[in-house]
Amino acid sequence: DAGITQSPRHKVTETGTPVTLRCHQTENHRYMYWYRQDPGHGLRLIHYSYGVKDTDKGEVSDGYSVSRSKTEDFLLTLESATSSQTSVYFCAISESIRDSNQPQHFGDGTRLSIL
Amino acid sequence: DAKTTQPPSMDCAEGRAANLPCNHSTISGNEYVYWYRQIHSQGPQYIIHGLKNNETNEMASLIITEDRKSSTLILPHATLRDTAVYYCIARGGSARQLTFGSGTQLTVLP
Repeated sequence: DAGITQSPRHKVTETGTPVTLRCHQTENHRYMYWYRQDPGHGLRLIHYSYGVKDTDKGEVSDGYSVSRSKTEDFLLTLESATSSQTSVYFCAISESIRDSNQPQHFGDGTRLSIL
Repeated sequence: DAKTTQPPSMDCAEGRAANLPCNHSTISGNEYVYWYRQIHSQGPQYIIHGLKNNETNEMASLIITEDRKSSTLILPHATLRDTAVYYCIARGGSARQLTFGSGTQLTVLP
């Protein structure tokens, strides 16, 4: 299995509080992604990174920010959490973004509940 | 990415081969066919992918029709641990994200 660790695995917090989720990889892959998974919507891309300090928005980026100061770490921050951000969050990594012959590998997810 | 169509559910007896079909009739020439699965409460797990040739790895085989409009994922000897939702994805070009559809719920029966 790809060396991807997400932390925390579970978190419960209150509306309006800041939340940071961490994705750590040991594969030295250049590309990293944050997805959220909700019933009826499948997985949706929030943000992705194509290198240290290089990030871009995905399909559902509003309310989220990301940072990547090291190759191995990709952080997802909810500046002021809302109940609509209750979801399961998955991090993924890949060697390439433009080569469709490169699969993405996923972490085990963070289950976030915002009350 | 091309739209894919899969049956919503399938059953398979333990020890038998599980054959999961996928239709991707609008697939373009540069789009690969990917298969992932997701076991409840876990992250999607990459299984296999291919462009036009059949592929095999330690987990499964992928059979792609000559016209590339459909494919079949084969789990040669299904076990109870293979019970999961299986997703077929057509991905190509510079697509950043994987687009997961509804998938097929495979239930392996003892």
